[in-house]
Amino acid sequence: KAGVTQTPRYLIKTRGQQVTLSCSPISGHRSVSWYQQTPGQGLQFLFEYFSETQRNKGNFPGRFSGRQFSNSRSEMNVSTLELGDSALYLCASSSPGQETQYFGPGTRLLVL
Amino acid sequence: GENVEQHPSTLSVQEGDSAVIKCTYSDSASNYFPWYKQELGKGPQLIIDIRSNVGEKKDQRIAVTLNKTAKHFSLHITETQPEDSAVYFCAASTQGNEKLTFGTGTRLTIIP
Repeated sequence: KAGVTQTPRYLIKTRGQQVTLSCSPISGHRSVSWYQQTPGQGLQFLFEYFSETQRNKGNFPGRFSGRQFSNSRSEMNVSTLELGDSALYLCASSSPGQETQYFGPGTRLLVL
Repeated sequence: GENVEQHPSTLSVQEGDSAVIKCTYSDSASNYFPWYKQELGKGPQLIIDIRSNVGEKKDQRIAVTLNKTAKHFSLHITETQPEDSAVYFCAASTQGNEKLTFGTGTRLTIIP
């Protein structure tokens, strides 16, 4: 079974721009969660989607948003980028009824 | 909300020796505790997990123990090998809630 895939793997943007990151979960997994990883704050939960609905949300500003499609693929969007948004953005998927989350390789975003 | 503390932040052990990493959590409702290994340039990889109805779980050289009363859980790696060098994260969540709260990570270095 293929693992969680994320595209793109690397991205460079400038302040004020917006960015869209994509995540394809493991086949059969319907829950997709997003995390931000930075040296200062560690791994922090952004939000979780299940069956195209946001079920849970972390403490991030409204500039961070996401969505999930009927095939369980998910995207997250960050608008009006700030320098502090530079991070590794990780996507994780899990199957129905299972807590175990499997992570993708992440998208490394650099905001200049 | 949940708070997970992890110690030590760095750990160096001789190859063949054992390594122990400890975590404490604050929310008594937490009942799922995974451990992840993250290598440079990769996403976190699940190495072992434990649920609150179990006190100990072992998988070859890796074991996890859980003390619900004291709200702490530990990762034990025996007969360490150079490929065990990585950053290890503990995490906690509540059943039915996909949000993982992570510890701050332990950088483990195995000295040949």
